[in-house]
Amino acid sequence: GQQVMQIPQYQHVQEGEDFTTYCNSSTTLSNIQWYKQRPGGHPVFLIQLVKSGEVKKQKRLTFQFGEAKKNSSLHITATQTTDVGTYFCAGRPGNTGKLIFGQGTTLQVKP
Amino acid sequence: NAGVMQNPRHLVRRRGQEARLRCSPMKGHSHVYWYRQLPEEGLKFMVYLQKENIIDESGMPKERFSAEFPKEGPSILRIQQVVRGDSAAYFCASSPTLGPGGTEAFFGQGTRLTVV
Repeated sequence: GQQVMQIPQYQHVQEGEDFTTYCNSSTTLSNIQWYKQRPGGHPVFLIQLVKSGEVKKQKRLTFQFGEAKKNSSLHITATQTTDVGTYFCAGRPGNTGKLIFGQGTTLQVKP
Repeated sequence: NAGVMQNPRHLVRRRGQEARLRCSPMKGHSHVYWYRQLPEEGLKFMVYLQKENIIDESGMPKERFSAEFPKEGPSILRIQQVVRGDSAAYFCASSPTLGPGGTEAFFGQGTRLTVV
């Protein structure tokens, strides 16, 4: 079936270090979305990428969508303790409306 | 414009009882998704609904689970004869009519179901 895989599952970094999470889909995605879930909270939308090769930035966060629209990455520069949480990628395979999430990458930041 | 409202926030059921989880999407949103999340795990897709229609229920167990999104009122996820393994957080999300590229999903706070 359609799968969205994310690595790594966990990442512990020292405050100020960079962090990257990778997302791969078994099928072409019409778009990729990224969400953040704080401990005990609910997922909150961060960004959506639609075009092949698209790159978007939000302050210290950089999001990329692969040329084949099957992979994506989220890179955080100089992490802060407020970045702690689980980051999920999500995509809609083909032209379906179904939104499938990756397993998430949980980021811990040591002050 | 209120966000996605889920109730109850916490639900405790004994084995064999029924659990009914409610989700009121954001105003103007006609698409609803239900996800299940176990502790320390990701969001597992269960079902995707539009008003009065189930679009995709490929993630829903064939037995005991059902979902609806009536013309009026909230979407309901119903779990009959609950078992301990049903204990999880159930999240509902809604989105407006999909454009060509799709749109973001807005999540509710979730319902934490505990089966004792």
